[in-house]
Amino acid sequence: DAGVTQSPTHLIKTRGQQVTLRCSPKSGHDTVSWYQQALGQGPQFIFQYYEEEERQRGNFPDRFSGHQFPNYSSELNVNALLLGDSALYLCASSFQTSGAYLAKNIQYFGAGTRLSVL
Amino acid sequence: AQKITQTQPGMFVQEKEAVTLDCTYDTSDQSYGLFWYKQPSSGEMIFLIYQGSYDEQNATEGRYSLNFQKARKSANLVISASQLGDSAMYFCAMRGSGGYQKVTFGTGTKLQVIP
Repeated sequence: DAGVTQSPTHLIKTRGQQVTLRCSPKSGHDTVSWYQQALGQGPQFIFQYYEEEERQRGNFPDRFSGHQFPNYSSELNVNALLLGDSALYLCASSFQTSGAYLAKNIQYFGAGTRLSVL
Repeated sequence: AQKITQTQPGMFVQEKEAVTLDCTYDTSDQSYGLFWYKQPSSGEMIFLIYQGSYDEQNATEGRYSLNFQKARKSANLVISASQLGDSAMYFCAMRGSGGYQKVTFGTGTKLQVIP
C-alpha cells in the first residue's frame, strides 16, 4: 500500500519564477492538505482540498494556489517566487469523516519537496 | 485560534532510558484531537500517537504513550526504552472540531539518543 508520494524531492528556482509541486495521496484518502515548513520551524498550514475544492486556507498570499484532481491527487503552485518561499513543502492526506470522530482523522505526510529560491 | 507550545528545543536521553517531551496547548474548542509526529532528518513527518479530548484513558502505541492532562492543557509524549533510531525532531500538533482538518503544529523538540 503506497503512502503519500510527492514530487519532485528537490527544486531550485530563482526569484520571480513559478513552481508546481505534486502530491499523490495515500490509497483510500480523499483529502489533501499542504504545509510549508521553514528551517527550524513547525509546519504551517497553507490550504486543504476536498472534492476538488479548496475548503480551508491558512495565512498565505494568493501567490499560493492549488488544485485537486478527480483521482484526489493535488498540485501546489507558487507564483512570483520570493527568497522567503524557500522551505520544505509537505503534503498530507486523510479520509474525510464526520461527527464525533472528526478530530481523530489522522493526516499522513509525504517526504516533502525541498524548494530553494535563489 | 489554536496554539501549541513546546518549550524544549532540544533533549538528550541515554539509550534504553525513558524520556518525556513536553507539550501544552490552547484552544476554545470542546472537541479536539492531539497528535505527535516524528520527523527524521529525511523530512517525512511520521505519525506516532493520537489522543482525543474526550478519551478517558491515555493513549499508548508500543513504546509511545501520551500523558494527557486536560485541566492543565498538556499532552506530553513519553518514549520508553529509547533507541538510537529515536533521534529526530518531534512535533506536537492539534486539530479542533468544526468540519475541517487544519492541523496546528508546535515548534518541535530535537531529541538525541546517546549510546
